[in-house]
Amino acid sequence: NAGVTQTPKFRILKIGQSMTLQCAQDMNHNYMYWYRQDPGMGLKLIYYSVGAGITDKGEVPNGYNVSRSTTEDFPLRLELAAPSQTSVYFCASMALSSYNSPLHFGNGTRLTVT
Amino acid sequence: ILNVEQSPQSLHVQEGDSTNFTCSFPSSNFYALHWYRWETAKSPEALFVMTLNGDEKKKGRISATLNTKEGYSYLYIKGSQPEDSATYLCAFPGGATNKLIFGTGTLLAVQP
Repeated sequence: NAGVTQTPKFRILKIGQSMTLQCAQDMNHNYMYWYRQDPGMGLKLIYYSVGAGITDKGEVPNGYNVSRSTTEDFPLRLELAAPSQTSVYFCASMALSSYNSPLHFGNGTRLTVT
Repeated sequence: ILNVEQSPQSLHVQEGDSTNFTCSFPSSNFYALHWYRWETAKSPEALFVMTLNGDEKKKGRISATLNTKEGYSYLYIKGSQPEDSATYLCAFPGGATNKLIFGTGTLLAVQP
């Protein structure tokens, strides 16, 4: 049972480059999330999705885009990488609702923008 | 702007000490509160999902209580061990029931 799988694990980007962080879950969960780890600030929500075709902004969506064409996949796109986007990115999924289900996290993607 | 606050920011205790920390959240329109344990270089792992006022949940030496009327939850660790060293995060739905917003966390260091 793979759970939530994130790729790549590490990536170095130059300023202005673009990339897509991949996230896939095999648990048939409706809800999926992207968080970034900011030092001293815990986890900040970038975008989330309540089902295929539905996405919504979180706390820090600027500079990112997402799509949810299938239940399983929730890629995060950085169009013009900036040093401020250097972070560890976590994808998570949730089965039913926050009322009775916890988040299941992937192993993270460490991104450095130089 | 949703305010989920955790205190203290960090805590250093000796092995065997019992400890507790706090998560504060808006008390209006309460839906759920989550607790997570986050070890360094790993991913956060769920401890508890709490929904009812007065709820108390336990997992080994870790327990949590919930007061939705006054907007706080306590996490307790009894007889701390070095392996309990981690950041403990709470999460609260912000604006939408499934839009989970995290607090800044409490970093616990347990000295052997």
